[in-house]
Order: sequence, then C-alpha cells, then structure tokens
Amino acid sequence: AQSVTQLDSHVSVSEGTPVLLRCNYSSSYSPSLFWYVQHPNKGLQLLLKYTSAATLVKGINGFEAEFKKSETSFHLTKPSAHMSDAAEYFCVVSAGNQFYFGTGTSLTVIP
Amino acid sequence: SAVISQKPSRDICQRGTSLTIQCQVDSQVTMMFWYRQQPGQSLTLIATANQGSEATYESGFVIDKFPISRPNLTFSTLTVSNMSPEDSSIYLCSVDDGKYGLAGTNEQFFGPGTRLTVL
Repeated sequence: AQSVTQLDSHVSVSEGTPVLLRCNYSSSYSPSLFWYVQHPNKGLQLLLKYTSAATLVKGINGFEAEFKKSETSFHLTKPSAHMSDAAEYFCVVSAGNQFYFGTGTSLTVIP
Repeated sequence: SAVISQKPSRDICQRGTSLTIQCQVDSQVTMMFWYRQQPGQSLTLIATANQGSEATYESGFVIDKFPISRPNLTFSTLTVSNMSPEDSSIYLCSVDDGKYGLAGTNEQFFGPGTRLTVL
C-alpha cells in the first residue's frame, strides 16, 4: 500500500530564512515522489520529482528535496524563503498510475 | 508536458441539479484522472478514465453520482449528479505524462480546476 504523511499542517517562517517541509512515505514499490505547490485560487504546479535517479532533486524556484530510503523521507527545503513562496504544498507518492496525496502543508512567510 | 483546460472554471448550482465538467488536453494521452478537493482539504482521486472502457472508481465514489465519459484520447467529462452542498469542492482533471501507446514516468499534469458551489 502507498501513503504519504506530511508531518506539519502549517509552517511559518520569516522572509530570508530556510524552509523545511517534511514528508514521509510508505510504498510497496520503488516509489516516484513529487512535490506540488498550489497558490491561492491557482492550479497545481510541479515543483520537483524523484524517479529513482539522483537522490537530491533540484526543482523550480530554488526548492530541492532529498530522497532518503532508510528514513522513508522526502523533505522539501529552500535556503531562503521569499514572500511569493506562501502557498499550500503537497507531497505525492506515485505507484503505477495512481497518485497518493499528502494532506498538505500551508506555508506562511512573514515579512 | 501537457496543457489542460477545464470548463467551467467555476459555477454556483442549486441542490438537486447536475453539472457536467469538461476536460480538454492538447495531446493524446492514455490515462485521465478526476480528483476532488474539498474546502481546506487535500486531493482525493474520484476515478481513472481510459478511452474505450468504463471508468474505474475509487472507494466511496460511484458511477451513478459521478458519471464519466472518455469519448477520445484528448477529452473527458465528469458529471456531478443530484448535487448537495456537500459536493461543493474544486474538481480537477489530470493526465499522466505517457503519450498514447507509450509508458510515462508517472508524473501527472493538472488542469486549473472547476470550483463548484452548491446552494
């Protein structure tokens, strides 16, 4: 069975400080893992994906994530938060053609 | 990548009526998916739609309530039938990145969503 747990429903950071959004997964297969961002009243945008290549994945807008099999984690990080990063972030595990969404983490950036 | 459009972008409907949502893709795709995002919630898969076969529904979703059509490789519709206020959600269409006849890498592209409010 596949599932995703996003450990924080809300994260608040100051502008210019690092961002860490945590995600743990469970998968019976070698998983594909994704992070999507959803800005208010906007569609889902892919930030980055892991598909069994390099374990450190770089995405758009300065985000990156590291796949750690031993910890079954795929945490999303960014060295310096920007006001435009305020949004809802979803961690997703894929098995076959099925997508399994985490419950989402709402990121607030304080000026 | 794939460009996906949905119609309508939003609607306000009366209890007991039905609404059909359209999803159009700019390329031929094998798999199309319909999701529901209830207010403040994550996305839940409703069903998977393959061209030429009946849609496969997830637990908790039935064809009578959410009939789906997939008449060709670039188009699908989702109908929300006999609506109640509990159906107020954003409904999203997505496709995987596999072109027809080819395997993808399991990435999905999402449409902009249809925001439905049921009074």
